[in-house]
Amino acid sequence: EAQVTQNPRYLITVTGKKLTVTCSQNMNHEYMSWYRQDPGLGLRQIYYSMNVEVTDKGDVPEGYKVSRKEKRNFPLILESPSPNQTSLYFCASSSTGLKGTGELFFGEGSRLTVL
Amino acid sequence: RKEVEQDPGPFNVPEGATVAFNCTYSNSASQSFFWYRQDCRKEPKLLMSVYSSGNEDGRFTAQLNRASQYISLLIRDSKLSDSATYLCVVNFANAGGTSYGKLTFGQGTILTVHP
Repeated sequence: EAQVTQNPRYLITVTGKKLTVTCSQNMNHEYMSWYRQDPGLGLRQIYYSMNVEVTDKGDVPEGYKVSRKEKRNFPLILESPSPNQTSLYFCASSSTGLKGTGELFFGEGSRLTVL
Repeated sequence: RKEVEQDPGPFNVPEGATVAFNCTYSNSASQSFFWYRQDCRKEPKLLMSVYSSGNEDGRFTAQLNRASQYISLLIRDSKLSDSATYLCVVNFANAGGTSYGKLTFGQGTILTVHP
């Protein structure tokens, strides 16, 4: 089954404790991206990757890191989480790199709480 | 001014009603436009792409007005199952006018269809 898988789905952590949210897709997509969703602010792009070893900042990259060493994986790293990073995070992938119809396939989301 | 703006609603309509949503965008060089649907606590899913000539998919019609920089979504004969948040998405072009991976979401319009 074609899918984007995120882990963990739910996480409660404390300020400053490094964490990684994994994202994996099995559709051989070149493009992958991370978003956070907050009430009243909608979905905001954190980082995206057009292909392996190519990453770019989105609208809200501060406090996050990403890597794209393999085509299927695009982990989101919070080196020193803070309470303002409490949010619902979505990973997404696309086969066209947004040059064509650009349908994004989303993971189910990871709800992160930083105390 | 936000890059992509939507009326957050909520829109409360009876079954069978016709409802329309608008979305304005600020970058005249924008390349691609989409409507996504998001059910409560779920991931967004593509509803339809928006083409320059307008396009229709069953009860749903999408229009693009480049001169006024807005896109619209019309839902005819609303069903209870149409209740969701509708997200307008714009893929902005870079300075050279080519498409790249930065996607911007509107904050979403909440639709509730009641019996």
